Amino acid sequence: EVQLVESGGGLVQPGGSLRLSCVVSGFTFSSYSMNWARQAPGKGLEWISYISSSSRTIYYADSVKGRFTISRDNVKNSLYLQMSSLRDEDTAVYYCARDSSPGTVLETFDIWGLGTKVTVSS
Amino acid sequence: DIQLTQSPSFLSASVGDRVTITCRASQGINSYLSWYQQKPGKAPKLLIYAASTLQSGVPSRFSGSGSGTEFTLTISSLQPEDFATYYCQQLNSYPITFGQGTRLEIK
Repeated sequence: EVQLVESGGGLVQPGGSLRLSCVVSGFTFSSYSMNWARQAPGKGLEWISYISSSSRTIYYADSVKGRFTISRDNVKNSLYLQMSSLRDEDTAVYYCARDSSPGTVLETFDIWGLGTKVTVSS
Repeated sequence: DIQLTQSPSFLSASVGDRVTITCRASQGINSYLSWYQQKPGKAPKLLIYAASTLQSGVPSRFSGSGSGTEFTLTISSLQPEDFATYYCQQLNSYPITFGQGTRLEIK
């Protein structure tokens, strides 16, 4: 069964750091690009970062650029999001999502994890 | 950045109704558009990609159309499990963006 499981969320003070993980199973992780997206309480979806299968190509949303770092370990079948200088507005459920057929018209986020909740508050 | 505007933002309908949700892009995105369904407390679920391709396992009452700047998601006959929030997403260029969502509720 294809599965993405996020972890690492929790309560952190403004200015603090947190590292999210997404462990995948049921498919060849090293063959797929991956993304992080988030959803603030009561709000819509926001894409925040992309990483190619080889880690050679990385993109960030302006809202997190310079503060968040995406990475992956294809041996451990894991995706990461290192978050620093956290702000109140980073409070959200964070999802990892598999990217299918990147760079083609068929590209989409075909598999999503269940999400991990991050709360930034003093 | 490409902005996606969904209409309506809220829709009240009955079981068996045919409903259509529109997604307009601020610039042309060819067919690089996906649609997702999200229920409260759950992850988004892919319904449609490449504007009109039905994801495997998704009921055929869901369909998508459009290209360029205007796209539609149609549910031909609403079922009780379809009441949820729907999002469009463009993957034509980074940053990838989502519409603000359309909340579909039971009348």
